[in-house]
Amino acid sequence: SQQGEEDPQALSIQEGENATMNCSYKTSINNLQWYRQNSGRGLVHLILIRSNEREKHSGRLRVTLDTSKKSSSLLITASRAADTASYFCATVKAAGNKLTFGGGTRVLVKP
Amino acid sequence: NAGVTQTPKFQVLKTGQSMTLQCAQDMNHNSMYWYRQDPGMGLRLIYYSASEGTTDKGEVPNGYNVSRLNKREFSLRLESAAPSQTSVYFCASRTLSGTSTDTQYFGPGTRLTVL
Repeated sequence: SQQGEEDPQALSIQEGENATMNCSYKTSINNLQWYRQNSGRGLVHLILIRSNEREKHSGRLRVTLDTSKKSSSLLITASRAADTASYFCATVKAAGNKLTFGGGTRVLVKP
Repeated sequence: NAGVTQTPKFQVLKTGQSMTLQCAQDMNHNSMYWYRQDPGMGLRLIYYSASEGTTDKGEVPNGYNVSRLNKREFSLRLESAAPSQTSVYFCASRTLSGTSTDTQYFGPGTRLTVL
């Protein structure tokens, strides 16, 4: 079973718009991570947020974490065609434990 | 650094055939993982190795075996392939540094079709 569930499953936006996707999980976590997967490629780590953090930024990425709601969101600002990819959240229940991935959000950024 | 490498990139098997997927990392990571990804889905953990000399089952281990040959290499074996094992297989290694770093690095994947 998957710990994280992303919403929406697919998202289509115009270049320059913001893209927001959400991840919900079921049990308490140590940290939550977001990964990107370009078509036909492996996953690439984007950002990690720990259970005692509420918000993190990395370039055009903004991640929030609400442990009371067991949810996280990933915001990509000023999207570019190159942001077209699938985005996955992954949870870690305890430090050093294995990751459990959600089903992903497919994002299409139209030029 | 090559990062995480996987061989082969593509493979077609007949039902009942066996094969081994190879994975190597040159980042001196202790932990390595094998995942499968079915169309339109996320990754599911097959087996992992927290450190050299140890292996553990993940979410979907049935039909697979693994070997942590040394710190660099972690192989996945299908003894008798079944059509249900048609998937894309990813190997990953992980860097952990206290509480400050926790990142998995993925290989490019092996696309396996079992007829």
